Amino acid sequence: DIQMTQSSSYLSVSLGGRVTITCKASDHINNWLAWYQQKPGNAPRLLISGATSLETGVPSRFSGSGSGKDYTLSITSLQTEDVATYYCQQYWSTPYTFGGGTKLEIK
Amino acid sequence: DVQLQESGPGLVKPSQSLSLTCTVTGYSITSDYAWNWIRQFPGNKLEWMGYISYSGSTSYNPSLKSRISITRDTSKNQFFLQLNSVTTEDTATYYCARRLDYWGQGTSVTVSS
Repeated sequence: DIQMTQSSSYLSVSLGGRVTITCKASDHINNWLAWYQQKPGNAPRLLISGATSLETGVPSRFSGSGSGKDYTLSITSLQTEDVATYYCQQYWSTPYTFGGGTKLEIK
Repeated sequence: DVQLQESGPGLVKPSQSLSLTCTVTGYSITSDYAWNWIRQFPGNKLEWMGYISYSGSTSYNPSLKSRISITRDTSKNQFFLQLNSVTTEDTATYYCARRLDYWGQGTSVTVSS
């Protein structure tokens, strides 16, 4: 199985600030990487697929980058509605696997 | 609009089988995509359980060994999860999802006697 590691379990960022969430795969996943946002009581919401492709309706302050094994989700101009837990997922090979999540809080 | 809705019992006894239904509206499950079951444990870890494709082929997480089965009823546009011999470790919120993009709201299942 490919292990997905999100190095930060928690991040605290000021309103209007910029945050980068990292995700490292245990093997190359060829950009088959998705980012999700989850708020309490809700299902995960797909933000980015293919490592960099923003889903329709997702604000442009979200962006994804990376290649090979290393990927990042960046959020600029942090808003209160961005408080959530963010997960990465590889879908290069089964079993598809998720990172442990990064909980984003407002400082 | 594509919508998915999970349904099934919220409480299952240990050693019994867990059976859930995902009802899909707004898209035919035979048109395209893989139709997935994913669960989230207390503590929020997410686990992909498996999928049934639009053609009817299946793929399962080996961690679930031979306990899992995903089937479908195309006439009702539904797909199903069966997980056998459950233990308390199977207590989780269960989600159905179309590939990556559309998810149901989730259904909480507790395994307890």
